[in-house]
Amino acid sequence: NAGVTQTPKFQVLKTGQSMTLQCAQDMNHNSMYWYRQDPGMGLRLIYYSASEGTTDKGEVPNGYNVSRLNKREFSLRLESAAPSQTSVYFCASRVMGVNEKLFFGSGTQLSVL
Amino acid sequence: AQKVTQAQTEISVVEKEDVTLDCVYETRDTTYYLFWYKQPPSGELVFLIRRNSFDEQNEISGRYSWNFQKSTSSFNFTITASQVVDSAVYFCALSESDSNYQLIWGAGTKLIIKP
Repeated sequence: NAGVTQTPKFQVLKTGQSMTLQCAQDMNHNSMYWYRQDPGMGLRLIYYSASEGTTDKGEVPNGYNVSRLNKREFSLRLESAAPSQTSVYFCASRVMGVNEKLFFGSGTQLSVL
Repeated sequence: AQKVTQAQTEISVVEKEDVTLDCVYETRDTTYYLFWYKQPPSGELVFLIRRNSFDEQNEISGRYSWNFQKSTSSFNFTITASQVVDSAVYFCALSESDSNYQLIWGAGTKLIIKP
């Protein structure tokens, strides 16, 4: 049982380049999330998907797009990377019920030069 | 508007000392959830506890305990007899009942436990 798997772990981009961060969960969770973590700011929600086929903007969606490909996979795309998008990105999925909580992937460290 | 404040940016203590991490929150909802997560140096985020707004009972789990006080909008986390392995960044977070689990995170407290 792998939980939440994110790829890649590290990435360096030049300004203007595009890339897609991949996320997959094997826990059959409906809801999935993309966060970014910047020093001194905690985590901020970029986009989330409450269920397969739906996506919604979070707190900081500008410059990003997402795709909920199926129940397992939720990808984050940077169409034209900017230095302000240098951050650590975390994917998460949510288990419902009395033990409701988020499970996180191991993170992607992205640098945009 | 909802907000989570962790005023302590960094705390450093010697091993075996007790340490309390503060978390103060703001929300207009009467139903909400509070969380603590741990981020060790390896970078992953580890769930520690979830508390709903109707349950003000304090919780103890081994050396960890949590004090939830609605009167002061605080959800503080205490580690008793700290150990070097407790060194990490600790995040407090808030989720309102109708937010579809859009957690609002505090900025985190970096805890350093010296041997």
